Amino acid sequence: GAVVSQHPSWVICKSGTSVKIECRSLDFQATTMFWYRQFPKQSLMLMATSNEGSKATYEQGVEKDKFLINHASLTLSTLTVTSAHPEDSSFYICSASATSVGYNEQFFGPGTRLTVL
Amino acid sequence: GQSLEQPSEVTAVEGAIVQINCTYQTSGFYGLSWYQQHDGGAPTFLSYNALDGLEETGRFSSFLSRSDSYGYLLLQELQMKDSASYFCAVTSGSARQLTFGSGTQLTVLP
Repeated sequence: GAVVSQHPSWVICKSGTSVKIECRSLDFQATTMFWYRQFPKQSLMLMATSNEGSKATYEQGVEKDKFLINHASLTLSTLTVTSAHPEDSSFYICSASATSVGYNEQFFGPGTRLTVL
Repeated sequence: GQSLEQPSEVTAVEGAIVQINCTYQTSGFYGLSWYQQHDGGAPTFLSYNALDGLEETGRFSSFLSRSDSYGYLLLQELQMKDSASYFCAVTSGSARQLTFGSGTQLTVLP
Protein backbone atom coordinates (compact mmCIF):
# COMPACT_ATOMS: atom_id res chain seq x y z
CA GLY A 1 0.00 0.00 0.00
CA ALA A 2 0.80 3.74 0.04
CA VAL A 3 1.92 4.00 -3.57
CA VAL A 4 2.57 7.32 -5.26
CA SER A 5 2.95 7.64 -9.01
CA GLN A 6 4.30 10.44 -11.17
CA HIS A 7 3.81 11.17 -14.83
CA PRO A 8 5.74 11.59 -16.98
CA SER A 9 8.89 9.88 -15.73
CA TRP A 10 10.99 12.04 -18.01
CA VAL A 11 10.36 14.94 -20.34
CA ILE A 12 12.47 16.97 -22.74
CA CYS A 13 11.16 20.34 -23.85
CA LYS A 14 12.26 23.48 -25.59
CA SER A 15 13.07 26.64 -23.68
CA GLY A 16 10.00 28.79 -23.19
CA THR A 17 7.45 26.00 -23.13
CA SER A 18 5.42 24.84 -20.13
CA VAL A 19 5.53 21.37 -18.66
CA LYS A 20 2.97 19.72 -16.40
CA ILE A 21 3.90 16.95 -13.99
CA GLU A 22 1.23 14.85 -12.29
CA CYS A 23 1.51 13.22 -8.88
CA ARG A 24 -1.09 10.66 -7.81
CA SER A 25 -1.62 8.71 -4.63
CA LEU A 26 -2.92 5.39 -5.90
CA ASP A 27 -4.27 3.63 -2.84
CA PHE A 28 -4.80 6.30 -0.23
CA GLN A 29 -6.13 9.82 0.07
CA ALA A 30 -3.30 12.27 0.50
CA THR A 31 -4.04 15.04 2.93
CA THR A 32 -0.85 16.80 2.01
CA MET A 33 1.43 16.62 -1.00
CA PHE A 34 4.93 17.97 -1.27
CA TRP A 35 7.06 18.91 -4.27
CA TYR A 36 10.84 18.65 -4.22
CA ARG A 37 13.59 19.47 -6.66
CA GLN A 38 16.93 17.72 -6.77
CA PHE A 39 19.92 18.81 -8.81
CA PRO A 40 22.67 16.27 -9.61
CA LYS A 41 24.71 15.20 -6.59
CA GLN A 42 22.66 17.44 -4.32
CA SER A 43 19.99 16.95 -1.71
CA LEU A 44 16.25 17.19 -2.09
CA MET A 45 15.00 20.73 -1.67
CA LEU A 46 11.38 21.29 -0.72
CA MET A 47 9.67 23.60 -3.18
CA ALA A 48 6.14 23.73 -1.84
CA THR A 49 3.55 22.08 0.34
CA SER A 50 -0.01 21.70 -0.83
CA ASN A 51 -3.23 20.67 0.83
CA GLU A 52 -6.27 19.59 -1.13
CA GLY A 53 -8.46 22.50 -2.10
CA SER A 54 -6.18 25.24 -0.84
CA LYS A 55 -3.32 27.26 -2.19
CA ALA A 56 0.15 25.82 -1.98
CA THR A 57 2.70 27.16 0.47
CA TYR A 58 5.95 27.89 -1.31
CA GLU A 59 9.40 27.80 0.24
CA GLN A 60 11.50 30.92 0.24
CA GLY A 61 13.13 31.52 -3.11
CA VAL A 62 10.65 29.45 -5.12
CA GLU A 63 8.70 31.53 -7.64
CA LYS A 64 5.01 30.73 -7.28
CA ASP A 65 4.21 32.21 -10.69
CA LYS A 66 6.76 29.98 -12.35
CA PHE A 67 5.97 26.76 -10.52
CA LEU A 68 2.19 26.45 -10.46
CA ILE A 69 0.83 23.84 -8.10
CA ASN A 70 -2.72 22.55 -8.15
CA HIS A 71 -4.05 20.07 -5.60
CA ALA A 72 -7.59 19.63 -6.87
CA SER A 73 -8.36 16.30 -5.24
CA LEU A 74 -7.13 14.06 -2.45
CA THR A 75 -5.34 11.85 -4.95
CA LEU A 76 -3.91 14.28 -7.48
CA SER A 77 -1.50 17.20 -7.42
CA THR A 78 0.08 18.82 -10.45
CA LEU A 79 3.19 20.95 -10.85
CA THR A 80 3.42 23.12 -13.94
CA VAL A 81 6.78 24.61 -14.82
CA THR A 82 5.88 27.66 -16.88
CA SER A 83 8.20 29.14 -19.49
CA ALA A 84 10.85 26.58 -18.68
CA HIS A 85 14.50 27.46 -19.12
CA PRO A 86 17.63 25.27 -19.09
CA GLU A 87 18.30 26.14 -15.44
CA ASP A 88 14.98 24.49 -14.56
CA SER A 89 16.38 21.15 -15.72
CA SER A 90 16.25 18.96 -12.65
CA PHE A 91 14.73 15.91 -11.00
CA TYR A 92 11.29 16.77 -9.63
CA ILE A 93 9.89 14.48 -6.97
CA CYS A 94 6.54 14.56 -5.23
CA SER A 95 5.54 12.93 -1.99
CA ALA A 96 2.28 12.45 -0.17
CA SER A 97 1.24 11.95 3.38
CA ALA A 98 -1.99 11.25 5.21
CA THR A 99 -3.07 10.60 8.74
CA SER A 100 -4.69 7.37 7.61
CA VAL A 101 -1.38 5.82 6.64
CA GLY A 102 0.85 7.24 9.32
CA TYR A 103 1.22 10.97 9.49
CA ASN A 104 4.92 10.85 10.11
CA GLU A 105 5.84 9.22 6.83
CA GLN A 106 5.93 10.71 3.37
CA PHE A 107 5.58 8.37 0.42
CA PHE A 108 7.62 9.41 -2.56
CA GLY A 109 6.81 9.16 -6.23
CA PRO A 110 9.43 7.84 -8.66
CA GLY A 111 10.35 11.34 -9.83
CA THR A 112 10.26 13.19 -13.13
CA ARG A 113 13.46 14.13 -14.89
CA LEU A 114 13.02 17.40 -16.76
CA THR A 115 15.49 18.49 -19.41
CA VAL A 116 15.02 21.91 -20.98
CA LEU A 117 16.92 22.50 -24.20
CA GLY B 1 15.38 27.38 10.06
CA GLN B 2 16.57 23.83 9.94
CA SER B 3 20.06 22.52 9.28
CA LEU B 4 21.47 19.01 9.20
CA GLU B 5 25.00 17.71 8.97
CA GLN B 6 26.10 14.31 7.80
CA PRO B 7 29.35 13.04 6.25
CA SER B 8 29.57 13.40 2.49
CA GLU B 9 31.16 10.02 1.81
CA VAL B 10 31.70 6.67 3.53
CA THR B 11 33.45 3.62 2.12
CA ALA B 12 33.32 0.11 3.54
CA VAL B 13 33.75 -3.49 2.41
CA GLU B 14 31.13 -6.16 1.98
CA GLY B 15 30.07 -7.75 5.24
CA ALA B 16 31.23 -4.83 7.34
CA ILE B 17 29.22 -2.52 9.58
CA VAL B 18 28.97 1.19 8.89
CA GLN B 19 27.45 4.03 10.89
CA ILE B 20 26.28 7.28 9.31
CA ASN B 21 25.86 10.12 11.77
CA CYS B 22 23.51 13.05 11.53
CA THR B 23 23.31 16.14 13.71
CA TYR B 24 20.55 18.65 13.32
CA GLN B 25 19.27 22.02 14.42
CA THR B 26 15.58 22.65 14.10
CA SER B 27 12.51 24.04 15.77
CA GLY B 28 9.25 22.15 16.10
CA PHE B 29 10.98 18.78 15.85
CA TYR B 30 8.81 15.69 15.44
CA GLY B 31 11.29 13.06 14.35
CA LEU B 32 14.29 11.97 12.32
CA SER B 33 13.98 9.85 9.20
CA TRP B 34 16.45 8.07 6.98
CA TYR B 35 16.09 7.59 3.23
CA GLN B 36 18.10 5.62 0.70
CA GLN B 37 18.49 6.82 -2.87
CA HIS B 38 20.16 4.97 -5.71
CA ASP B 39 21.45 6.93 -8.70
CA GLY B 40 18.58 8.07 -10.90
CA GLY B 41 15.92 6.85 -8.47
CA ALA B 42 13.60 8.36 -5.93
CA PRO B 43 14.30 8.19 -2.20
CA THR B 44 12.99 5.17 -0.37
CA PHE B 45 12.04 5.27 3.28
CA LEU B 46 14.24 3.33 5.69
CA SER B 47 13.31 4.36 9.21
CA TYR B 48 11.75 6.97 11.45
CA ASN B 49 12.62 7.82 15.07
CA ALA B 50 10.38 10.06 17.12
CA LEU B 51 11.64 8.98 20.53
CA ASP B 52 15.09 8.40 21.95
CA GLY B 53 16.55 5.00 21.37
CA LEU B 54 17.30 2.41 18.78
CA GLU B 55 14.94 1.11 16.12
CA GLU B 56 15.93 -2.06 14.31
CA THR B 57 14.66 -3.19 10.94
CA GLY B 58 16.56 -6.14 9.58
CA ARG B 59 20.12 -5.18 8.72
CA PHE B 60 19.39 -1.50 9.30
CA SER B 61 19.07 0.24 12.67
CA SER B 62 18.49 3.88 13.48
CA PHE B 63 19.18 5.75 16.69
CA LEU B 64 17.99 9.08 18.02
CA SER B 65 19.01 11.25 20.94
CA ARG B 66 16.71 14.26 21.10
CA SER B 67 18.69 15.92 23.87
CA ASP B 68 21.84 15.80 21.73
CA SER B 69 20.05 16.58 18.44
CA TYR B 70 21.85 13.57 17.04
CA GLY B 71 21.02 10.37 15.29
CA TYR B 72 22.67 7.68 13.25
CA LEU B 73 21.91 4.97 10.76
CA LEU B 74 23.67 1.65 11.28
CA LEU B 75 24.01 -0.72 8.37
CA GLN B 76 25.16 -4.25 9.14
CA GLU B 77 26.33 -7.09 6.91
CA LEU B 78 26.91 -4.66 4.08
CA GLN B 79 26.07 -5.82 0.58
CA MET B 80 27.08 -4.35 -2.76
CA LYS B 81 23.48 -3.27 -3.35
CA ASP B 82 23.73 -0.99 -0.30
CA SER B 83 25.92 1.37 -2.33
CA ALA B 84 23.73 4.46 -2.54
CA SER B 85 23.17 7.88 -1.06
CA TYR B 86 21.67 8.03 2.42
CA PHE B 87 19.83 11.10 3.64
CA CYS B 88 18.75 11.99 7.13
CA ALA B 89 15.73 14.25 7.32
CA VAL B 90 13.93 16.02 10.13
CA THR B 91 10.16 16.25 10.32
CA SER B 92 9.02 19.59 11.64
CA GLY B 93 6.26 22.14 11.44
CA SER B 94 2.51 21.83 11.37
CA ALA B 95 2.62 20.31 7.87
CA ARG B 96 5.14 17.70 8.98
CA GLN B 97 7.61 18.95 6.40
CA LEU B 98 10.81 17.10 5.70
CA THR B 99 14.13 18.90 5.60
CA PHE B 100 16.88 16.75 4.17
CA GLY B 101 20.55 16.63 4.97
CA SER B 102 23.05 16.88 2.16
CA GLY B 103 23.39 13.13 1.88
CA THR B 104 26.11 10.54 2.47
CA GLN B 105 27.41 8.59 -0.49
CA LEU B 106 28.09 5.02 0.68
CA THR B 107 30.37 2.90 -1.45
CA VAL B 108 30.58 -0.80 -0.65
CA LEU B 109 33.69 -2.50 -1.99
CA PRO B 110 34.01 -6.23 -2.70
